[in-house]
Amino acid sequence: GENVEQHPSTLSVQEGDSAVIKCTYSDSASNYFPWYKQELGKRPQLIIDIRSNVGEKKDQRIAVTLNKTAKHFSLHITETQPEDSAVYFCAASRGTSYGKLTFGQGTILTVHP
Amino acid sequence: DGGITQSPKYLFRKEGQNVTLSCEQNLNHDAMYWYRQDPGQGLRLIYYSQIVNDFQKGDIAEGYSVSREKKESFPLTVTSAQKNPTAFYLCASSPMGTSSQETQYFGPGTRLLVL
Repeated sequence: GENVEQHPSTLSVQEGDSAVIKCTYSDSASNYFPWYKQELGKRPQLIIDIRSNVGEKKDQRIAVTLNKTAKHFSLHITETQPEDSAVYFCAASRGTSYGKLTFGQGTILTVHP
Repeated sequence: DGGITQSPKYLFRKEGQNVTLSCEQNLNHDAMYWYRQDPGQGLRLIYYSQIVNDFQKGDIAEGYSVSREKKESFPLTVTSAQKNPTAFYLCASSPMGTSSQETQYFGPGTRLLVL
């Protein structure tokens, strides 16, 4: 089955800096890659996703890049703010009709004012 | 997100007891999922269901059971066979047959604790 590895497990940055979280996956048939943000005690919220026919996608301060050949994808957050502090999860799936997702272990991002 | 509800928010289980976690959605989504979240391990899939009266085991189904009698509801039972049930349980749903069919939306979660 699919295996998703996520790094780093913790990331600490100063407000205004950029943050990058990287994930690798094992199943070459995976073609859908979402990123979720989870605040303490809350539900995961989808923040951005990318499909394999696209190499990069951007939404304001958040961007995701995908390298299918190397089987890795990354989340980039620019101009970080304290409210970006949360746990971020990457995931991968084959995009089949039942959308079974395999999640990475998560990255705890702390943005210091 | 607001269309998926889970109850209760906290649940306490005594040893040897079966407990049932509720998950309801009014988003008209066909697929529903149950995940378990432990610290440092991300989300692991317990069971998922694509249509009513059908469900499939995920990666960690042992000690759990589910039913899908209605499209809106997908309850999870944690049986006494699950020896380490303390975790945060998340239910999710997703549409099918659309361009966004892979996108999963999560409920607020149930925290299960063992007495």
